[in-house]
Amino acid sequence: GAVVSQHPSRVICKSGTSVKIECRSLDFQATTMFWYRQFPKQSLMLMATSNEGSKATYEQGVEKDKFLINHASLTLSTLTVTSAHPEDSSFYICSASPAHNNEQFFGPGTRLTVL
Amino acid sequence: GQQLNQSPQSMFIQEGEDVSMNCTSSSIFNTWLWYKQDPGEGPVLLIALYKAGELTSNGRLTAQFGITRKDSFLNISASIPSDVGIYFCAGYQGGSEKLVFGKGTKLTVNP
Repeated sequence: GAVVSQHPSRVICKSGTSVKIECRSLDFQATTMFWYRQFPKQSLMLMATSNEGSKATYEQGVEKDKFLINHASLTLSTLTVTSAHPEDSSFYICSASPAHNNEQFFGPGTRLTVL
Repeated sequence: GQQLNQSPQSMFIQEGEDVSMNCTSSSIFNTWLWYKQDPGEGPVLLIALYKAGELTSNGRLTAQFGITRKDSFLNISASIPSDVGIYFCAGYQGGSEKLVFGKGTKLTVNP
């Protein structure tokens, strides 16, 4: 149980384009999902907290117009990197928490490379 | 923001040896979680701890929630090559839903 999937696992795009990453909780409903960014050899950095049916809460320094988050259902959250630039290249990981449970289960991550 | 102090930063051990790593904080945490991350993958939850003093095992892994609620340790017994990876401690403070992470311990196991 408690499986979280992400799609795509890898994406390469040209500078200026937008990229959408999906995060799904496969066997549980997640009222809250989280989006993280991880640079090589570093820990996870929380970007935003996404609650189903409401606007995401962004961490300080994270541009909400750059990283659009939608949590339309209890099993799906999406992160769209708009007008991507090379400095947006990173490993993006989502996590989800089942209702009444504060354990976070992570997706396998999405490697974004912007050329 | 708040970070957990995780040590050691890296460990190089021989197969069969036991391993210990820990996390400390200046603040009280009410939940501790230990994760393992393989290269190019997301973190996988190993053990969750909810009560001060709690000692929990998962196979060869044992973790404890410190009695002061400001620290936790993870032990791995009889290490094997597939234990290689980065181990992260993480925790929740107060009523926050945000996980605070340690910087990770990179474990290398020599066969």
